[in-house]
Amino acid sequence: SQQGEEDPQALSIQEGENATMNCSYKTSINNLQWYRQNSGRGLVHLILIRSNEREKHSGRLRVTLDTSKKSSSLLITASRAADTASYFCATSETSGSRLTFGEGTQLTVNP
Amino acid sequence: DTAVSQTPKYLVTQMGNDKSIKCEQNLGHDTMYWYKQDSKKFLKIMFSYNNKELIINETVPNRFSPKSPDKAHLNLHINSLELGDSAVYFCASSQDQRDGSYEQYFGPGTRLTVT
Repeated sequence: SQQGEEDPQALSIQEGENATMNCSYKTSINNLQWYRQNSGRGLVHLILIRSNEREKHSGRLRVTLDTSKKSSSLLITASRAADTASYFCATSETSGSRLTFGEGTQLTVNP
Repeated sequence: DTAVSQTPKYLVTQMGNDKSIKCEQNLGHDTMYWYKQDSKKFLKIMFSYNNKELIINETVPNRFSPKSPDKAHLNLHINSLELGDSAVYFCASSQDQRDGSYEQYFGPGTRLTVT
């Protein structure tokens, strides 16, 4: 069964606004990763947060992880039109070697 | 230089045909993967190889057979193609992924259309 569920499925904002996407999962994890997919392209890794970390930053990205709630959020600050893409969370379970991807959030940033 | 490359980018073929998709990575990674992304963008792992050894083999039809001639290449051969095989297939690679600790690098995808 699918590990990650993302919320919202689609998000439309104006350039300059912040975008927040959420991911929930079901089992114990080693780490959680966020990926971006531009239309017609492969996925690009954004950030990895380990199970013993609560928050991580990378440029305009801020990721939080709450293992007690089995959830993570990705915040993109001061969004740009170029941020328009699908964003996926992926979890690495403690019991295995695979990444399991969520359904993705389609973010549209309007100029 | 492209890190993970796939060929072809587009593949249109008829039901019943046999086709192959090739993947190469120049990152020196030990682990390579094949994923299938359906029309709703749901991404599901199919296979994973670590240093030419099969480590993940999800429940996919036997018509799908991966082949890894060396750790830089992982090809996907599909026999007797069916309409439901239409999807985008992604190759990816990472450092040793036996505990899922590393980011994955994805190829550009191969859009397979079966008519």
